[in-house]
Amino acid sequence: GAVVSQHPSWVICKSGTSVKIECRSLDFQATTMFWYRQFPKQSLMLMATSNEGSKATYEQGVEKDKFLINHASLTLSTLTVTSAHPEDSSFYICSAADRLNTEAFFGQGTRLTVV
Amino acid sequence: SQQGEEDPQALSIQEGENATMNCSYKTSINNLQWYRQNSGRGLVHLILIRSNEREKHSGRLRVTLDTSKKSSSLLITASRAADTASYFCATDAGGKLIFGQGTTLQVKP
Repeated sequence: GAVVSQHPSWVICKSGTSVKIECRSLDFQATTMFWYRQFPKQSLMLMATSNEGSKATYEQGVEKDKFLINHASLTLSTLTVTSAHPEDSSFYICSAADRLNTEAFFGQGTRLTVV
Repeated sequence: SQQGEEDPQALSIQEGENATMNCSYKTSINNLQWYRQNSGRGLVHLILIRSNEREKHSGRLRVTLDTSKKSSSLLITASRAADTASYFCATDAGGKLIFGQGTTLQVKP
């Protein structure tokens, strides 16, 4: 299947700083990418849908000014957690869909710890 | 909530037994997918069943879909200790996946 690479796999940052997470589709063009957040022992919650060349669509309750999403090319979407707080500590996972949106391919996830 | 319901939330069985997990959802779907997640890791795609399909097999996995009841089940036959993980169903309704709450499966050797 197609490969989606997410980087970094884990990051520790101080409160108040910003962290950028990258999601790359390695062998296909992803017109749409999705960002999820998963708290311990819980399911994945969709945060936003990222469309190449346009603004992201955020799910209800997700602060777009805090979670900045940029999808500047067909192979790269980034999620920036701005002014991170300890409650932002979570597992963030991206997925990418090909042009036909037939199947979503997931990155390995990024574990963010804010201290 | 947009998420579906899964039951049971936790399941513990002996190696060799079968494990059945159920998933219910709320909206019309294009397809339903099942994923496995080992603790602290990413998702592994197991199987996709389209809305016009009723049953699908892949190795030791069997998935059923009943769109009239908005439910699906995942059966793992002849379970192994390595099957220990969390299992999530996810419904695709227009490109984005909405995940169920998951079932944590423990297979004891």
